[in-house]
This record gives sequence, structure tokens and C-alpha cells, in this order.
Amino acid sequence: EVELVESGGGLVQPGGSLRLSCAASGFAFSKNWMTWVRQAPGKGLEWVASIKEDGSEKLHVDSVKDRFTISRDNAKNSLYLQMNSLRGEDTAVYYCVKSQYRACDYWGQGTLVTVSS
Amino acid sequence: DIVMTQSPLSLPVTPGEPASISCRSSQSLLHSNGYTYLSWYLQKPGQSPQLLIYLSSNRASGVPDRFSGSGSGTDFTLKVSRVEAEDVGVYYCMQALQSPITFGPGTKVDIK
Repeated sequence: EVELVESGGGLVQPGGSLRLSCAASGFAFSKNWMTWVRQAPGKGLEWVASIKEDGSEKLHVDSVKDRFTISRDNAKNSLYLQMNSLRGEDTAVYYCVKSQYRACDYWGQGTLVTVSS
Repeated sequence: DIVMTQSPLSLPVTPGEPASISCRSSQSLLHSNGYTYLSWYLQKPGQSPQLLIYLSSNRASGVPDRFSGSGSGTDFTLKVSRVEAEDVGVYYCMQALQSPITFGPGTKVDIK
């Protein structure tokens, strides 16, 4: 059974940093693109970043470029999102997502990031 | 960026009746490899989104066959043949032809 468990969310001040982690199990992690999707309170879904199976290609939405970095450790079956220079508009639930056929076929339960002073 | 639009944005439904949601993209989602990178998701209240349809018309594993996806190019449709009470929530379409991946605004489905 595929399982994606996010951690690392919490309350952080504007300008601060957080590192989100996602522990994956139940599938061949190293053979799948992985993605972060976020959802601000009461809002729709927003793609944040994706990373290729071997980490050689990384894509980020413009609004987080130069602030967020997606990475992975295939030996640990783990996905990460390093978030720096956080802003109020980054407040959201962040979902770890497994990708196949360029669709998001499995989603974690999400971790809430709140950026506020 | 590819802009995704959905209609309607709100859809009251009657259990047992059919329902349909439209999704349009600002450019064709057909890749040169022949695949169309359009998928559909349902986010039930208080839950994470779940995949319903991928590659425009392929039902995801475990999705009831009352859900179907169709369309090509820039126009796509999600149909529910007979709505059940458990189908309420927000439905999203998503394109993954090119970065940035973009979602539609969502269609909220509830029971009349």
C-alpha cells in the first residue's frame, strides 16, 4: 500500500525557514517523479515543485523560485522541500504527491505551514 | 502559462442523476508523444485530493466506473453517470503538459 507521510510544518515568522519532509513507502520511490502541491486556507490547489526520479531535473513554480528547493534521497525513500524567506502567502497545507503518467496518483495527508508574526 | 478554466463553479446535484463538469485549457494539452496530459481530482470535505482520471480518459485504480473522462485538445469533460452522496466535494482538473503545472479553480459539487 502506498503511503506518503509529511512532516516539518508549523508556525514560522515571515522571512524564516522550514524544511518539509515526506516519507514514502509501498512503491518503488526511485522510479517515480515526486511533487509538492499546496492549498492555502479555503483556496484551490497550487503546484509548487516536482523532481525527476534521479533528482537530475527540478521544476518550481515562479512564485517560489530562489526561495524553495525540492530535493530527494532515494536511499531513504524521502522527499524534501526546503523553504526559505517565507511569506504570508506561503501559508498553506503542503501535500507530498507521487506522480505517474504526469498525474498525481497518490497524496499524503498534508502538513500545515503558517507564516505569521 | 497554461490557464485552466472550469464550469460550472458550483453544481447542486440530485442523487441518482447524472452530472457533468467542463474543463478548458488555454492551449492544446496534446503532447507530441500522443498523450494528453489532463487529469481530474476530487477533494472530499476534510480530505486530501484523490485522482479520478488521468491522460484525459483513463480511470484511476479503484475509481467507480460511474466516473468517466473525455475530451481532447483544449476541451474536456468529467461525467458522473449516477451521482451518489459520497461524490460531494470539489473537483479539479489539472494540466501537466508543461511547467508550470496548473489546476482549474475547482467545481464544488453538493447535494440539492
